[in-house]
Amino acid sequence: EIVMTQSPATLSVSPGERATLSCRASQSVSSDLAWYQQKPGQAPRLLIYDASTRATGIPARFSGSGSGTEFILTISSLQSEDLAVYFCQHYKNWPRTFGQGTKVEI
Amino acid sequence: EVQLVESGGGLVQPGGSLRLSCEASGFTFSSHAMSWVRQAQGKGLEWVSTISGSGGSRYNADSVKGRFTTSRDNSKNTLYLEMNSLRVEDTAVYYCAGSPGPYYDIGGYIYWGQGTLVTVSS
Repeated sequence: EIVMTQSPATLSVSPGERATLSCRASQSVSSDLAWYQQKPGQAPRLLIYDASTRATGIPARFSGSGSGTEFILTISSLQSEDLAVYFCQHYKNWPRTFGQGTKVEI
Repeated sequence: EVQLVESGGGLVQPGGSLRLSCEASGFTFSSHAMSWVRQAQGKGLEWVSTISGSGGSRYNADSVKGRFTTSRDNSKNTLYLEMNSLRVEDTAVYYCAGSPGPYYDIGGYIYWGQGTLVTVSS
């Protein structure tokens, strides 16, 4: 099983600042990685797939990078509505696994 | 508009059974692999199972293997999760989720339901 480790657990960022979230895989997942945003009381929403491709309707301030075992989700200019928990997930092999999440506080 | 609506959650005793349903609309259901993802209160996301668009291929997490069965009825645009031998640790919100293509969940989960709560307790 591939273990996904996210850091930091909590990130405090002021509006307008850049937020950088990390995700590390215990073995290579190539670019088979997705990022999700989950706001309180809501279902997750796909932000990024294939490590760096924005999903439909996702604002350009969200970007993903990385391959292999190291991945980054960047929110270039944080907005108040970006308060959420962010999860990474691989789909390289079975079982699929998620990181434990990074909570972004404004 | 794409919609996934789960139902069937509730309170069940340990060792009991429950069947979840997820009714899809707004997209060609059979063209998309579907998955179940669960989330215990205050915890992270856990992948449970995936079924291909045709229903011919299925994968389950080890934690539910032999107890949970995922199926689909493409004529009814509905995904199912049959849960048997339920344990306290199965308590969670269960989400159904759809992927971009028919084969597996390559590309992640683009469609999500609102979730249904399953509570396993005596």
